[in-house]
Amino acid sequence: DGGITQSPKYLFRKEGQNVTLSCEQNLNHDAMYWYRQDPGQGLRLIYYSQIVNDFQKGDIAEGYSVSREKKESFPLTVTSAQKNPTAFYLCASSTPGGNAGYTFGSGTRLTVV
Amino acid sequence: DAKTTQPTSMDCAEGRAANLPCNHSTISGNEYVYWYRQIHSQGPQYIIHGLKNNETNEMASLIITEDRKSSTLILPHATLRDTAVYYCIVRKTSYDKVIFGPGTSLSVIP
Repeated sequence: DGGITQSPKYLFRKEGQNVTLSCEQNLNHDAMYWYRQDPGQGLRLIYYSQIVNDFQKGDIAEGYSVSREKKESFPLTVTSAQKNPTAFYLCASSTPGGNAGYTFGSGTRLTVV
Repeated sequence: DAKTTQPTSMDCAEGRAANLPCNHSTISGNEYVYWYRQIHSQGPQYIIHGLKNNETNEMASLIITEDRKSSTLILPHATLRDTAVYYCIVRKTSYDKVIFGPGTSLSVIP
């Protein structure tokens, strides 16, 4: 079945360490997105990519980095520069056009210990 | 991108219809209205979308006002499993960065 796979589901990180969250899709979608969600909040956009080898900053990109070397993959690195990285991270993908929705992964919960 | 406004929370009795409103007064002609829901600690799930006509699928109905400035998601017979946060968003006919606000937290009560 087609879908988006995020791994791992839970991730623990020590302060000062970088960590990479995986996002893979087999839907042949051109666009991919990373969102951050804090308790009781909506989704805030970190980065998005409309095409391979190209990506744009979202509203809260500081302390994060991404790459888009393959259409299927859009990994997110949470760097040590991110001051409050503990959150729920969601990856999504879509095709172009307003008449096409987003497909979301099941999320990764990152905790800094 | 047009923004949306939703009530923070709502209650609904089990078996009754749940009517969730959304205001999108700045919507433009090429923006679709989408509804998603998120059950705790899961990724958001697509429910329904529309441009200007009312839409219905196996999960819900979407009623869009004639001026397109607001819409209502209707869950015809709410069950306890419909307890979730419901997001209303608008999306243009191009790649864009969509804003997901805090949504409406729907509690279905036995």
